[in-house]
Amino acid sequence: DSGVTQTPKHLITATGQRVTLRCSPRSGDLSVYWYQQSLDQGLQFLIQYYNGEERAKGNILERFSAQQFPDLHSELNLSSLELGDSALYFCASSLRTSGLDTQYFGPGTRLTVL
Amino acid sequence: AQSVTQPDIHITVSEGASLELRCNYSYGATPYLFWYVQSPGQGLQLLLKYFSGDTLVQGIKGFEAEFKRSQSSFNLRKPSVHWSDAAEYFCAVYLGADGLTFGKGTHLIIQP
Repeated sequence: DSGVTQTPKHLITATGQRVTLRCSPRSGDLSVYWYQQSLDQGLQFLIQYYNGEERAKGNILERFSAQQFPDLHSELNLSSLELGDSALYFCASSLRTSGLDTQYFGPGTRLTVL
Repeated sequence: AQSVTQPDIHITVSEGASLELRCNYSYGATPYLFWYVQSPGQGLQLLLKYFSGDTLVQGIKGFEAEFKRSQSSFNLRKPSVHWSDAAEYFCAVYLGADGLTFGKGTHLIIQP
């Protein structure tokens, strides 16, 4: 158990809908990262937040957004969903924002868009 | 562009045999390097990491990896695999403020 929790575990929705994925980092960690894992693209970094502020952006679509709240939990919002958004979405957390800090991954949320 | 290559999509090894999973990176400087393992239905677990210093690093579960700057490689090894090592293995690099860049992964199958 990494100490990172993600809810829900599974999510099934229809095209055009909007969903919110939630992540609680390990106690004491200030950074939260979101990754997408799909068969065709592999594991891709989406976005990072550090202590409530956006820190880095990766291959995140404009239809996707995220935020980190004062209690440090984070939410990833996916809107106007398409079939291709079906994937496993991972959250990871680390103590700070340095590459020296280990990123601990949650179990993921499996999103299925029908 | 910076990238991570894992040339082997699948590898099959007999239980008790040695293992080497290959990883090559493309980056101008020495990156921070990681190996993660993903068991079916699980998240990713860090096996080991390399930042600097001794080029042979030890990790959890009996794994080790060797950084070779001349070959831009960071191969993962284990002297004797167990059936529980069957999983997906990912090599990753940290290149700066862009999160981790992962390879496509190597699926390890253990034969009895």
